[in-house]
Amino acid sequence: VQLVESGGGLVQPGKSLKLSCSASGFTFSSYGMHWIRQAPGKGLDWVAYISSSSGTVYADAVKGRFTISRDNAKNTLYLQLNSLKSEDTAIYYCARSYGGSPFAYWGQGTLVTVSS
Amino acid sequence: DIQMTQSPSFLSASVGDRVTINCKASQNINKYLNWYQQKLGEAPKRLIYNTNNLQTGIPSRFSGSGSGTDYTLTISSLQPEDFATYFCLQHNSFPYTFGAGTKLELK
Repeated sequence: VQLVESGGGLVQPGKSLKLSCSASGFTFSSYGMHWIRQAPGKGLDWVAYISSSSGTVYADAVKGRFTISRDNAKNTLYLQLNSLKSEDTAIYYCARSYGGSPFAYWGQGTLVTVSS
Repeated sequence: DIQMTQSPSFLSASVGDRVTINCKASQNINKYLNWYQQKLGEAPKRLIYNTNNLQTGIPSRFSGSGSGTDYTLTISSLQPEDFATYFCLQHNSFPYTFGAGTKLELK
């Protein structure tokens, strides 16, 4: 199982960014996937979930601003980040479940910095 | 939302010590509790899932226990590579929530 995030960078408040998570080593379409973030030097916050059938759930802090999606043909998970705020600055990880329990496998993360 | 209160925040210990880290949920989480280890600059690594199931490849000195609202991670004999930050996670219901973390430092 390999998960590789990309798309992070420096962005101004109010702008948008799209993160990607490229998956390999497993049947991507069969698994629900998550995004989790970690502000610099802080703890972990769950952000969003998409099921294998593309049902979605969001944390209140990002609801209405972020959109999780997937392209099973490309084995890729996405997170569209809109109306970004300084408090969205974090490393964003994608993660997959295993054994009926979440976050068994993690990517290396991609850093999003929201600053003017 | 379910709040996870993790204690202690910092723990100073020596190689060979037995240590315990606790997480208390604000309501019953039905043993849907995982433990993660994170080292500086790395992604978290799952150690224990669903309270007491050891992740493949994790040494048996790590164990988990608990039920209802109270859960514990035990490291039976600390090794040099165990000094890291540990987080609990409840996945009983959305939004999934993490404890604030325990930083385990060498005494």
